[in-house]
Amino acid sequence: DAGVIQSPRHEVTEMGQEVTLRCKPISGHDYLFWYRQTMMRGLELLIYFNNNVPIDDSGMPEDRFSAKMPNASFSTLKIQPSEPRDSAVYFCASTREGPYEQYFGPGTRLTVT
Amino acid sequence: LAKTTQPISMDSYEGQEVNITCSHNNIATNDYITWYQQFPSQGPRFIIQGYKTKVTNEVASLFIPADRKSSTLSLPRVSLSDTAVYYCLVGDSNSGYALNFGKGTSLLVTP
Repeated sequence: DAGVIQSPRHEVTEMGQEVTLRCKPISGHDYLFWYRQTMMRGLELLIYFNNNVPIDDSGMPEDRFSAKMPNASFSTLKIQPSEPRDSAVYFCASTREGPYEQYFGPGTRLTVT
Repeated sequence: LAKTTQPISMDSYEGQEVNITCSHNNIATNDYITWYQQFPSQGPRFIIQGYKTKVTNEVASLFIPADRKSSTLSLPRVSLSDTAVYYCLVGDSNSGYALNFGKGTSLLVTP
């Protein structure tokens, strides 16, 4: 298996622009997670899905952030409009039902200027 | 969700055993304890998971006392390549078993 795939790996954009991050989970995994990592706040959970349904989005910082999972093999995290404080590394992870480990993607490093 | 507390940082010399303790006073009956490791510019990687007593694999051991209010990750004979951030998480099946990574413990291993 190729593991969790994220794209792009790096994204540089200007404030006010829309940013879309993409994730392909491992086939057969029931859960998908989006995290954000910064030096100040560490690794924070933004939202997670179970069987394509959003379960908890309480970590989404504000209305500028939205996430979708149209099918079991694809998810997007969108920021519109982007702001400099959104600069961070965004990770996607997936896992199976049960006490199993999460598999993380390589992350997307987002820089908003 | 049970909250965890772990040291911000630890230092060790090569070849020593390192023990990182995590406090989770509000752990629930169905919660498992999971530890992850993260190297710079990579996503976290699973190390070990347990529910009670002791669990050992080829990488580490996890010690969980009877009251389960804390746990200790033990890394035997660390090397420079064990320099990383270590996260302790607590969760159950309703939350995918691991959610609150926080800042973890930054371990620095020196010669």
